[in-house]
Amino acid sequence: SQKIEQNSEALNIQEGKTATLTCNYTNYSPAYLQWYRQDPGRGPVFLLLIRENEKEKRKERLKVTFDTTLKQSLFHITASQPADSATYLCALDLYSSASKIIFGSGTRLSIRP
Amino acid sequence: NAGVTQTPKFQVLKTGQSMTLQCAQDMNHEYMSWYRQDPGMGLRLIHYSVGAGITDQGEVPNGYNVSRSTTEDFPLRLLSAAPSQTSVYFCASSTRTGGTETQYFGPGTRLLVL
Repeated sequence: SQKIEQNSEALNIQEGKTATLTCNYTNYSPAYLQWYRQDPGRGPVFLLLIRENEKEKRKERLKVTFDTTLKQSLFHITASQPADSATYLCALDLYSSASKIIFGSGTRLSIRP
Repeated sequence: NAGVTQTPKFQVLKTGQSMTLQCAQDMNHEYMSWYRQDPGMGLRLIHYSVGAGITDQGEVPNGYNVSRSTTEDFPLRLLSAAPSQTSVYFCASSTRTGGTETQYFGPGTRLLVL
């Protein structure tokens, strides 16, 4: 069956450390993988997109890797801050096979001062 | 430029009632979609549209209908509400799937079916 799994429903780390979130998928062939941030009571906000032929993408303190062999993406926040506390969602863009964007269940990240 | 707007923000329905959740975008986006979000389930795709007059089913389409008569609007209809449809509903749009296109989400509609 097709699955998107974000292991760690919740992740708590100390301010200043690097937070690493994982997104694994099975039986999908995404053309792109996206990461979103969602704060309580709000809609998701797009953060980064990485293509299937890209290994790594960076934006300020954010870094995303994409390994299509392992079927895994890692999302890193360096020098984490309490303001980074939120739920982070990965999404598979099945552009090459279907016009669908499918989401994982999310990881709730808490950064303690 | 209002982005993606959704109405209503909150709604309480009785089982069997019908209603339409409204979604509109003013960015001339081709791609629009509806998701529902339940605790611990993430976002699940209900229906999506790649342009006016074209719609398709997502992961959980049963109990919902959509139509896309204009580029701007993508309403979601519940014909006979059930308690299992209690959820938060998000509408989203982008120029199209794939590439560098950002998907923009609306603020959501919270629906309670009694």
